[in-house]
Amino acid sequence: EAGVTQSPTHLIKTRGQQATLRCSPISGHTSVYWYQQALGLGLQFLLWYDEGEERNRGNFPPRFSGRQFPNYSSELNVNALELEDSALYLCASSLGVKAFFGQGTRLTVV
Amino acid sequence: KQEVTQIPAALSVPEGENLVLNCSFTDSAIYNLQWFRQDPGKGLTSLLLIQSSQREQTSGRLNASLDKSSGRSTLYIAASQPGDSATYLCAVRGSSNTGKLIFGQGTTLQVKP
Repeated sequence: EAGVTQSPTHLIKTRGQQATLRCSPISGHTSVYWYQQALGLGLQFLLWYDEGEERNRGNFPPRFSGRQFPNYSSELNVNALELEDSALYLCASSLGVKAFFGQGTRLTVV
Repeated sequence: KQEVTQIPAALSVPEGENLVLNCSFTDSAIYNLQWFRQDPGKGLTSLLLIQSSQREQTSGRLNASLDKSSGRSTLYIAASQPGDSATYLCAVRGSSNTGKLIFGQGTTLQVKP
């Protein structure tokens, strides 16, 4: 069974541009979570989607947004990129209590 | 506000040693606690999950315990191997259904051959 897959693996963008990160959950999982892991800051909760709806968001500005599609895959969009947005973005999925994480997308803003 | 702390931040041991990683949390109203492993630049691999009603979980050489009343969890690794070298993270899910995990900063383990 395939795990959580994220694309792209690496992404380099210029300050002010937009970035789109994609996540495919484990088959049958309806919840998708996004986390940011910036250097020295640890893992911070970004967004939670379940059954196509945004259920909760962390303490991030509105330029971080996303959506969940009918097949439960998800997109994270980051607008007006800033240098401090450089981080590893991790997606997780769950059907119940246990969260399973993908390998992440490394976003570098130059 | 839930805060999760992991001690020590880094640990270096010779191969074969048994070791304990510590995780503490400030709010005992948790739904579950999960231990993860992260290799450099990679995603998280789930190791063990303990529900709030459980005291411990075991998988192979790993044993995790939970003492909710004191806000503590430990991850015990038996007979450590160089392949165990990684960062170990604990995360708690609160009892209210916010969906989010609160992570500790991690313990970076190096097992020397």
